Amino acid sequence: SYELTQPPSVSVSPGQTASIACSGDKLGDKYAYWYQQRPGQSPVLVIYQNSKRPSGIPERFSGSNSGNTATLTISGTQAMDEADYYCQAWDGSTGVFGGGTKLTVL
Amino acid sequence: EVQLVESGGGLVKPGGSLRLSCATSGFTFSYYAMNWVRQAPGKGLEWVSSISTTSSFVYYADSVRGRFTISRDNAKNSLYLQMNSLRAEDTAVYYCARQRDYGDPFDSWGQGTLVTVSS
Repeated sequence: SYELTQPPSVSVSPGQTASIACSGDKLGDKYAYWYQQRPGQSPVLVIYQNSKRPSGIPERFSGSNSGNTATLTISGTQAMDEADYYCQAWDGSTGVFGGGTKLTVL
Repeated sequence: EVQLVESGGGLVKPGGSLRLSCATSGFTFSYYAMNWVRQAPGKGLEWVSSISTTSSFVYYADSVRGRFTISRDNAKNSLYLQMNSLRAEDTAVYYCARQRDYGDPFDSWGQGTLVTVSS
């Protein structure tokens, strides 16, 4: 079965850039999606089709996808960005999530 | 405003059954594929099942295939998940999630309903 791998945790200082990687076999041939989940809340889509932002998502969120790795980048990270982030792709008709990355802003 | 409201969770014994519902409003339900995604306590997200707009196509994760059945009622704007032969490892918050079309992301989520499988 298809697998997506994320680092368990990433730390960043306020105002700096955070990058979260998601790796999977030939992931660049698929669309990668990214979700933010704050504690006690439901997930929210922050990046779709590798690099597009849904309405209402700040411009500091961006994404890329090439080869075997998709990357979520948060520029000028704010305290409110502290959350769990999940990448997701479709393997045929099966949805696949990465294990999630806890972003700490300190 | 798009709303998805899950219900039907609770405590059930191993081997038991439960039926989850997801009531929706604020969008044309019949235009969207729908999904169930779950999250075990303290763990990550796991896709469970999806259903096409007309129920013609349904898909399941290997972990639930043969035990869970997804369905929808477009007249009632509702999504369902019938869960049979429940196991301890099915304990999770179950979210319903909207999907515009095959291969699209989950663009709206409900608040989730907790299912606990324990004796």
